[in-house]
Amino acid sequence: GENVEQHPSTLSVQEGDSAVIKCTYSDSASNYFPWYKQELGKRPQLIIDIRSNVGEKKDQRIAVTLNKTAKHFSLHITETQPEDSAVYFCAAPIHNNDMRFGAGTRLTVKP
Amino acid sequence: DAGVTQSPTHLIKTRGQQVTLRCSPKSGHDTVSWYQQALGQGPQFIFQYYEEEERQRGNFPDRFSGHQFPNYSSELNVNALLLGDSALYLCASSLEGLGTEAFFGQGTRLTVV
Repeated sequence: GENVEQHPSTLSVQEGDSAVIKCTYSDSASNYFPWYKQELGKRPQLIIDIRSNVGEKKDQRIAVTLNKTAKHFSLHITETQPEDSAVYFCAAPIHNNDMRFGAGTRLTVKP
Repeated sequence: DAGVTQSPTHLIKTRGQQVTLRCSPKSGHDTVSWYQQALGQGPQFIFQYYEEEERQRGNFPDRFSGHQFPNYSSELNVNALLLGDSALYLCASSLEGLGTEAFFGQGTRLTVV
């Protein structure tokens, strides 16, 4: 079926290291790819997004890359800090209005 | 701007009962989407409302229904509650148009006993 696959499900890094989370999608018409951060007991918060007319977008320590041919996009966090610890979700629209989420990646940054 | 607000924040219901959850979108937003998030899982799309009509629906049974009002606020109704309906229900609002940022409410934690 049409969905979004996200890997890894858990990721543990040392403070200061980089973290990379990858997602693949199935709908070739998808053109908007947001990433959300969800801390325990809180709502998902948009941290960065990318549209299909660009291949990369950066915002301080966070970057997202998109490969439309391969239908995958990735979140990169550099110089990780303990406050980056959370669950991260990717998403992609299916049939325009149905935003499908990945299963999430639990990132733990060890001090 | 209060952002997206949902009520109630927590709710306990008995199996077989019916429940109504409410969502007020962010000011200026006209589209409301509802999601079910089970513990440890990503949000699952239930349906989306725009111009007071259900525009798209995910893989959820007819027990899940909704409504959007002229002021863009929305309700999610679930009938004949099952234990498996226990989850965090999230509402997200956005402005009509493909590829616009969605803002989430804090969610309603529904527990069915």
